[in-house]
Amino acid sequence: GAGVSQSPSNKVTEKGKDVELRCDPISGHTALYWYRQSLGQGLEFLIYFQGNSAPDKSGLPSDRFSAERTGGSVSTLTIQRTQQEDSAVYLCASSRRPRGQVGGNEQFFGPGTRLTVL
Amino acid sequence: SQQGEEDPQALSIQEGENATMNCSYKTSINNLQWYRQNSGRGLVHLILIRSNEREKHSGRLRVTLDTSKKSSSLLITASRAADTASYFCATVLRGGSNYKLTFGKGTLLTVNP
Repeated sequence: GAGVSQSPSNKVTEKGKDVELRCDPISGHTALYWYRQSLGQGLEFLIYFQGNSAPDKSGLPSDRFSAERTGGSVSTLTIQRTQQEDSAVYLCASSRRPRGQVGGNEQFFGPGTRLTVL
Repeated sequence: SQQGEEDPQALSIQEGENATMNCSYKTSINNLQWYRQNSGRGLVHLILIRSNEREKHSGRLRVTLDTSKKSSSLLITASRAADTASYFCATVLRGGSNYKLTFGKGTLLTVNP
C-alpha cells in the first residue's frame, strides 16, 4: 500500500520567505508527527496530531513555525520568515493511535523535504 | 539534550561480520525503538522493546534492554552491504506522552563488501 508521502522533496528558498511543506499520511493512521533533522543530528520532535484532539506543539522552535491538519488527513507545516538555521530535512510520520504507555507506536516515515535557506 | 546516545558514532565492518551498536539513555522509559535510515528507503522502524522485556529478536536483529543500566544494544548478525545505514534508538519516556519519541544522534554503520 501507499506509504507516507511528502512534497516537495527539495525546497530552496531565500531568507525571509515563507515556505509550506506538505505531508500525506498513510490512510487510516490517526496520528501524524513532524520532525526536523539537521545535518548529522538525530530527529527533533516538532508537533503531533491525533484525530480531532488539540495538537501537541511543544516541539515547535519558534512562533514562525506552525502546522495544521485538515480533515484528519493531510498536514501542512508552514515556516514564516525563514532563517538560515531553519535549513534541515523535515520528516513527517504517521501511525495508528498510540496504545497505552508500554505498547508503543511504530511510526512510518515519509522521505522528507530537504529545506535550504540561502 | 538528547535522551538517547548511540555508541559508537561510526562503525565499519566487513560483510558477514556482526555489528553491535549501543544506546544509553538518561531517564526511565516505557519502550525503546530502533530505526534505520538510508538514502534509499528513508527512516524505517526495525524493532520495539518494552521496558518489561530484556531481549527481542527479528530476523538477523537482536535487541537487548538493561533498564538498570539504562542501555540497549542492537546486534546485526551476518551483516550485508545493504545494512549500510544510520541506526537510531528512540525512547518513549515513562510518565510522558505515549507518542513522543526522543531520538539519539545515531550510529553510522558501513558494511564493506
